Amino acid sequence: GAVVSQHPSRVICKSGTSVKIECRSLDFQATTMFWYRQFPKQSLMLMATSNEGSKATYEQGVEKDKFLINHASLTLSTLTVTSAHPEDSSFYICSAQDRTNTGELFFGEGSRLTVL
Amino acid sequence: DAKTTQPPSMDCAEGRAANLPCNHSTISGNEYVYWYRQIHSQGPQYIIHGLKNNETNEMASLIITEDRKSSTLILPHATLRDTAVYYCIVWAPNAGKSTFGDGTTLTVKP
Repeated sequence: GAVVSQHPSRVICKSGTSVKIECRSLDFQATTMFWYRQFPKQSLMLMATSNEGSKATYEQGVEKDKFLINHASLTLSTLTVTSAHPEDSSFYICSAQDRTNTGELFFGEGSRLTVL
Repeated sequence: DAKTTQPPSMDCAEGRAANLPCNHSTISGNEYVYWYRQIHSQGPQYIIHGLKNNETNEMASLIITEDRKSSTLILPHATLRDTAVYYCIVWAPNAGKSTFGDGTTLTVKP
């Protein structure tokens, strides 16, 4: 099956710094990628939808200047948490859809961000 | 604005069938039913999907009612490794994004 790789799996940073998380589709071209945030014992909360070569579409309440998303190629999307604060600590997950647009989502392994 | 409703938790004995229900009473004619599961601290994993007909693959079976307002995911012989949160979502080809509800936490017990 299709593989999506997410990196880093864990990151600890100081408050005020920026952190970049990468999401790569390894064996297919992802026309659309999605970024989610998940708090403990809660469901996935969609943050934004990213289409290759265009600006991301953010969900209501998600600060686009805080969470910068870039989808520069059909195999890579990045999420940058800018000026991170402890409340940004969370589990971030990406998913990708391929060109066939069957609806099946291929998920990365997730990235756990801890801001000190 | 999740379109599905699932029980928050279920238990199942190891080796027995696990039947996980999902209500999607407002489903549209072109919306598919997808099931994913998430094992603790990992990304979700695709299980199965269907539109109208029942579906079966190596992992599970999906039973969709004739009116399509509900469905049941069946794990025929649950193992301890099937302990996870199971999410049922609906998706249409022109919808773009999928919204996850709260899912069902399935605990398989020895």
